[in-house]
Amino acid sequence: DQQVKQNSPSLSVQEGRISILNCDYTNSMFDYFLWYKKYPAEGPTFLISISSIKDKNEDGRFTVFLNKSAKHLSLHIVPSQPGDSAVYFCAANSGYALNFGKGTSLLVTP
Amino acid sequence: GAGVSQSPRYKVAKRGQDVALRCDPISGHVSLFWYQQALGQGPEFLTYFQNEAQLDKSGLPSDRFFAERPEGSVSTLKIQRTQQEDSAVYLCASSSPGQEWAGELFFGEGSRLTVL
Repeated sequence: DQQVKQNSPSLSVQEGRISILNCDYTNSMFDYFLWYKKYPAEGPTFLISISSIKDKNEDGRFTVFLNKSAKHLSLHIVPSQPGDSAVYFCAANSGYALNFGKGTSLLVTP
Repeated sequence: GAGVSQSPRYKVAKRGQDVALRCDPISGHVSLFWYQQALGQGPEFLTYFQNEAQLDKSGLPSDRFFAERPEGSVSTLKIQRTQQEDSAVYLCASSSPGQEWAGELFFGEGSRLTVL
């Protein structure tokens, strides 16, 4: 039973443009939502998080938006750079265990 | 090193063999987690340690899976009588006190297990 869903397996964006990665969830009890980035043959690395009591969190080129009524969050990357090409995992927790989505593979082309 | 270290990076086992995967967390990190990532999937929680205490093992798929962290630092995930469905990347992660609640984990590079 997937509680965190990323329905787009892949996304291709031109360098300099905005990348928008989407994530839906089913459990309204989640406390935090996070995005992790993963390069091939490496472990996931933490990117940005948002508390369930907020609707936006920004860190440099990365902004996460949370819409609790729609049980939806998104990650915006502006401007996108070729080095952002990676798999992005959405995750959520209501304690210590993270629930991950299946990931979205982002390709940023020059 | 400064990060989470896992070994071996790659392991090929014949069905029925036992395997042991090691994780060396970041020094001083109290919390340690094991996740399993099957091909094309996101990581799935297996088990959680706080120091040497295994506080949650609800994600372990069967009693063939066993994890320990006897001295509160290095952890070992053992899989007995491996099956083909055990093929996956096994990720270890650690976190420092006060941060685990936000979900920020530091992951190792993973151990890729292939069972033939």
